[in-house]
Amino acid sequence: GESVGLHLPTLSVQEGDNSIINCAYSNSASDYFIWYKQESGKGPQFIIDIRSNMDKRQGQRVTVLLNKTVKHLSLQIAATQPGDSAVYFCAENLTGRRALTFGSGTRLQVQP
Amino acid sequence: EPEVTQTPSHQVTQMGQEVILRCVPISNHLYFYWYRQILGQKVEFLVSFYNNEISEKSEIFDDQFSVERPDGSNFTLKIRSTKLEDSAMYFCASTYDRGQAGELFFGEGSRLTVL
Repeated sequence: GESVGLHLPTLSVQEGDNSIINCAYSNSASDYFIWYKQESGKGPQFIIDIRSNMDKRQGQRVTVLLNKTVKHLSLQIAATQPGDSAVYFCAENLTGRRALTFGSGTRLQVQP
Repeated sequence: EPEVTQTPSHQVTQMGQEVILRCVPISNHLYFYWYRQILGQKVEFLVSFYNNEISEKSEIFDDQFSVERPDGSNFTLKIRSTKLEDSAMYFCASTYDRGQAGELFFGEGSRLTVL
């Protein structure tokens, strides 16, 4: 069946370091992947997305990598800042559907 | 910056009561959604709405749930007879672009507590 999951529930990094958050998905039909950030008491906030015809996409301080061979998605945050502390969710979308399937989330803690 | 607004921020209700959660999506958006997040769990899709009708719904969205866009701005989620397991944070979201199903703008959520 479909599943989107995360390898680590909590990631603690030092300010200024790079962070890597990982996600595994099992449905090879998924063709669109998204990372969301959720700060305490707020709704999810879109960070970056990638389609299955790409293996890398860069934004401002963030990079998403997609490895379709092993069904793996990662979010890299460069020069992590205290404001990056949040729960990060990956999500997948299937062709023709409006629904996003979210993973279980990784909490990123940035130590000053 | 435009944002999705939700009311109430927190509602406490007795089991069996009806609840209406309200959302004002971003004004030029065309696609509207409800998601929920049970405490400590994943964000789960409930329903999507476009052109005044449901375009997709999940298994969670059974007959006790309904959505409505009564005017040009509000988008509501009604739970007819609440159950304990309906306790969750309910998020409204909207997007303009049909092609960007993932770039959703979420509200801050309405926390529903069913006693």
